[in-house]
Amino acid sequence: QQQVKQSPQSLIVQKGGIPIINCAYENTAFDYFPWYQQFPGKGPALLIAIRPDVSEKKEGRFTISFNKSAKQFSLHIMDSQPGDSATYFCAASKGSSNTGKLIFGQGTTLQVKP
Amino acid sequence: DAGVIQSPRHEVTEMGQEVTLRCKPISGHNSLFWYRQTMMRGLELLIYFNNNVPIDDSGMPEDRFSAKMPNASFSTLKIQPSEPRDSAVYFCASSPGAPGREKLFFGSGTQLSVL
Repeated sequence: QQQVKQSPQSLIVQKGGIPIINCAYENTAFDYFPWYQQFPGKGPALLIAIRPDVSEKKEGRFTISFNKSAKQFSLHIMDSQPGDSATYFCAASKGSSNTGKLIFGQGTTLQVKP
Repeated sequence: DAGVIQSPRHEVTEMGQEVTLRCKPISGHNSLFWYRQTMMRGLELLIYFNNNVPIDDSGMPEDRFSAKMPNASFSTLKIQPSEPRDSAVYFCASSPGAPGREKLFFGSGTQLSVL
C-alpha cells in the first residue's frame, strides 16, 4: 500500500513532442503528489506538485493530470526540449501534518532528441 | 544559500570498513532525510529527523546502518561494517517548516562504492 508505481521506465521523444509519464498509487491517505527532476550527478529537484482537490495543474510547459477515482496521476511535458532530458520521479506523501516523508516511484529516464 | 551540502562526493572503500557520510542541511530547515538510490530499488527513504529527533528509521536496512543529528546543522549516516551491497548513491535532503514543508531540497549525493 505504500508503493507508487511509475511507467514507463524509459522514454525517447523528438524535440517538440509531448512525453507522458504515469504513476499509480494504492494508499488513499496520500494527499500530496510531487514530481521531481534529476540530472546526472545531481540530486532530485522539485518540478511541480498537486493535491487531490484539483484535477490538473500547469506550470510552464509541465502539467500534472490527477485522477482521484483511478488513483493515478501523470506528468505531461509540452514542447519538449533536449534540455528536458533527465530522470523524472513521481512521489506521494500522506497526512495533514505532512512531515515531508515521500514515497518515490522507480523513475523514468527521458531522452529528448534534437 | 549554498543548498544542502554533502560530503564526500565519492567514497571508495573495502568491505568491512566503516563509512561515514556527512550532511549539512539548509539553514532554518526543520526536517532532514537520508535516501539511498540504486538502479534496482530506486530512491529509498532510510531515516528522517524532525527538529533533530529521529522520527522514522524503518527504512534503515539493518543494524550496520546508523544515523545521528547532533544539532540542526549537521547529520551523519554511518555504515559499519560496510558490504558491497551497500554500494549506492546516498542523498541527504532537508525541508522547511510549514508552509511548504513538503518540498524537499536534495544535496548532490555521495557515490559510495564498497569493493
